[in-house]
Amino acid sequence: KNQVEQSPQSLIILEGKNCTLQCNYTVSPFSNLRWYKQDTGRGPVSLTIMTFSENTKSNGRYTATLDADTKQSSLHITASQLSDSASYICVVSATGGNNRLAFGKGNQVVVIP
Amino acid sequence: DTEVTQTPKHLVMGMTNKKSLKCEQHMGHRAMYWYKQKAKKPPELMFVYSYEKLSINESVPSRFSPECPNSSLLNLHLHALQPEDSALYLCASSHEIQAFYGYTFGSGTRLTVV
Repeated sequence: KNQVEQSPQSLIILEGKNCTLQCNYTVSPFSNLRWYKQDTGRGPVSLTIMTFSENTKSNGRYTATLDADTKQSSLHITASQLSDSASYICVVSATGGNNRLAFGKGNQVVVIP
Repeated sequence: DTEVTQTPKHLVMGMTNKKSLKCEQHMGHRAMYWYKQKAKKPPELMFVYSYEKLSINESVPSRFSPECPNSSLLNLHLHALQPEDSALYLCASSHEIQAFYGYTFGSGTRLTVV
């Protein structure tokens, strides 16, 4: 079973609208969680990173939240733009070990005019 | 310099060819990684280097051969690949093998095996 589950799998939204992506994880002991944006055929680009003690972090129109108690995170996109069309990947790391990361399968977002 | 640079961006090779993918970073990171990513799937870890030594090999077939000539460079040598090896190959680096902060991906090499 995947340790990081994302929903919805895909989403179509109108330009200018807001949307929220969900990430649930079972990785333990939790170290930190990062949201990446990945354009088709390109490498992932980091949007936000949060540790156990942080419950919200913003990067421009992107706002991530984290509830370490319920092991849930969300990524909110405000006033979407056509360039927001991409896959958004939730990645979680555990403390200790050798830095194996647990990747979600991504939320595929398509913004239409 | 806060980037991980991968070359080439695109590569088409035959099943009998030998080619190499290159990855370079100048952030002083001591851990470097190779990932393979198929379409609409998350990246899959292939190899991890820590202080220029191979730390993790995720049971990758021997037709993929990694090399870390120095702390800034990471190569992936390819030989006798199969069409199913076609994928996006991502390089990443981080400060240390257990550090998530500073974990940076390159833009990838799109590999097509014909």
